[in-house]
Amino acid sequence: KAGVTQTPRYLIKTRGQQVTLSCSPISGHRSVSWYQQTPGQGLQFLFEYFSETQRNKGNFPGRFSGRQFSNSRSEMNVSTLELGDSALYLCASSLVSNRGETQYFGPGTRLLVL
Amino acid sequence: SQQGEEDPQALSIQEGENATMNCSYKTSINNLQWYRQNSGRGLVHLILIRSNEREKHSGRLRVTLDTSKKSSSLLITASRAADTASYFCATVPIQGAQKLVFGQGTRLTINP
Repeated sequence: KAGVTQTPRYLIKTRGQQVTLSCSPISGHRSVSWYQQTPGQGLQFLFEYFSETQRNKGNFPGRFSGRQFSNSRSEMNVSTLELGDSALYLCASSLVSNRGETQYFGPGTRLLVL
Repeated sequence: SQQGEEDPQALSIQEGENATMNCSYKTSINNLQWYRQNSGRGLVHLILIRSNEREKHSGRLRVTLDTSKKSSSLLITASRAADTASYFCATVPIQGAQKLVFGQGTRLTINP
């Protein structure tokens, strides 16, 4: 089976712009979670989607949003980018839930905001 | 917010030696997982230990969990240069919206 894929791998944006990141989970996995990794804050949970519904959300402002499609692929969007949004954005998938199961991570999208 | 704290933040040892990393957390958990990350890339799942388990082995990895002390340790035996990476513990709290909650990680360097 192919692993979790994320596109694009690298992205450079300027403040005020918006960005959309994409994640394709492992075939058959229905749960997709997003994480932000920065040197200062470490790895932080953004949100989880399951069957096209947001099931859980972390403590991030409303500028961060996401969605999941019927084929379980997920996108996350960040609007009005700020310098502090520069980070590695990781997507992870699991069969049913991100609570008690192994999470399979993609390689990440590295976003640089100038 | 980070639930876990890892100790040490950085560890450098010689190839062949054993490496031990510790993780402490704050709330009651469903399970605890360890992940490895190479140079800012994706995370690779290493091992999962449930709250009712005390010890688990996988190859050269040994994980312990002490729920009374809210702590876990990861032991890598007979380390190899390829083990050089950052290691993160991640907990799944029983309550609250937070799901996988990661520690700050330990940067492990294996010197040949």
